[in-house]
Amino acid sequence: DTGVSQDPRHKITKRGQNVTFRCDPISEHNRLYWYRQTLGQGPEFLTYFQNEAQLEKSRLLSDRFSAERPKGSFSTLEIQRTEQGDSAMYLCASSRGLQASNQPQHFGDGTRLSIL
Amino acid sequence: AQSVTQLGSHVSVSEGALVLLRCNYSSSVPPYLFWYVQYPNQGLQLLLKYTSAATLVKGINGFEAEFKKSETSFHLTKPSAHMSDAAEYFCAVSESDSWGKLQFGAGTQVVVTP
Repeated sequence: DTGVSQDPRHKITKRGQNVTFRCDPISEHNRLYWYRQTLGQGPEFLTYFQNEAQLEKSRLLSDRFSAERPKGSFSTLEIQRTEQGDSAMYLCASSRGLQASNQPQHFGDGTRLSIL
Repeated sequence: AQSVTQLGSHVSVSEGALVLLRCNYSSSVPPYLFWYVQYPNQGLQLLLKYTSAATLVKGINGFEAEFKKSETSFHLTKPSAHMSDAAEYFCAVSESDSWGKLQFGAGTQVVVTP
């Protein structure tokens, strides 16, 4: 069990640029989740995948955000035309099973995005 | 709809003293409940989970939590605080029909003083 890996750990970019984050889940986990955490708050759900299928998207995920999980392994989260309000920690988590509600999610260390 | 309320954004305890972190939830269906801990610049680590098997749940690092349906609470306790317990703690709820989506509280920052 190598854990959930996220890359990069930190990203600093100018407003208006596009950024892409990568998440590698625990290998046998078929569920993958993205959350966003702003300073002083708990993580907020963004989206999740069952294998390669994106099953739910939060209203927080505007049309500037897109997430993919090709082949049901790693996932990418892209933000286009970044805005100041996108500055946050982006967390990826994975879990196993079809009935996933009682399966604990394992979190990566996150990607901290700073918009200049 | 579900929500989670953590009472107290900051808690200061003396080393060796009881740690008590409060969590109340609202859920339209029987929920699953979790406590996570987050150290600076790291992701979240699971402390314990409630999945209806037993109301008193024991977790890692000496923490435990009790599910009280009548009070819609899931408070986290540890009998004796260690300096290493200084971190932020999050209570989270997942509804049984929500595909595992977690709703988190705002977190409680724990400071441990010598």
